[in-house]
Amino acid sequence: AQKITQTQPGMFVQEKEAVTLDCTYDTSDPSYGLFWYKQPSSGEMIFLIYQGSYDQQNATEGRYSLNFQKARKSANLVISASQLGDSAMYFCAMREATDSWGKLQFGAGTQVVVTP
Amino acid sequence: NAGVTQTPKFRILKIGQSMTLQCTQDMNHNYMYWYRQDPGMGLKLIYYSVGAGITDKGEVPNGYNVSRSTTEDFPLRLELAAPSQTSVYFCASSTARDSRVHNSPLHFGNGTRLTVT
Repeated sequence: AQKITQTQPGMFVQEKEAVTLDCTYDTSDPSYGLFWYKQPSSGEMIFLIYQGSYDQQNATEGRYSLNFQKARKSANLVISASQLGDSAMYFCAMREATDSWGKLQFGAGTQVVVTP
Repeated sequence: NAGVTQTPKFRILKIGQSMTLQCTQDMNHNYMYWYRQDPGMGLKLIYYSVGAGITDKGEVPNGYNVSRSTTEDFPLRLELAAPSQTSVYFCASSTARDSRVHNSPLHFGNGTRLTVT
């Protein structure tokens, strides 16, 4: 069963605007971590931000922040002040603590296009 | 600091040929992984390893084999290539668990784009 769901296959956003990328997840493990990765057209996978299930605060890293709603099992990525270089595919991923091998399970991704 | 290095970057195989995708990391990471990414899709786990000599199957292992003889290297072997194995292959590594939740991100190589015709 799909554990990570990203419902937005593609989005357009204007430069300097904020964009929210949706991610919902399914787990019965009380301890887990959520990751967001960026994949530009060049193909590499770039780690952006991490949120732990026990973290009291929503994670932030520069222009990236996580809107973490534990009860709803959602971990939406917010990119503020979008730049042309933010055009990329974005993936949400989860690691469950019971998985001692540390595997990440990925969603299908959301393609973001930033327009001038 | 090279991180995770994958070779080759591109390869075209004929149906039935075999090849090995190379992956090496210089971060002394215990955990290593092979994922494949089909066009427009997310990443699916093929195989993984927690250390030298220890490997296990992921979600889509059929048609692949791995070995881990050293901490640094984790090659992926394709036997009898099929068109369904046309994909981009990513190798990744991570440090061992050091907290209640394993919060270390995966560090990815730049991928190998494989076409089987």
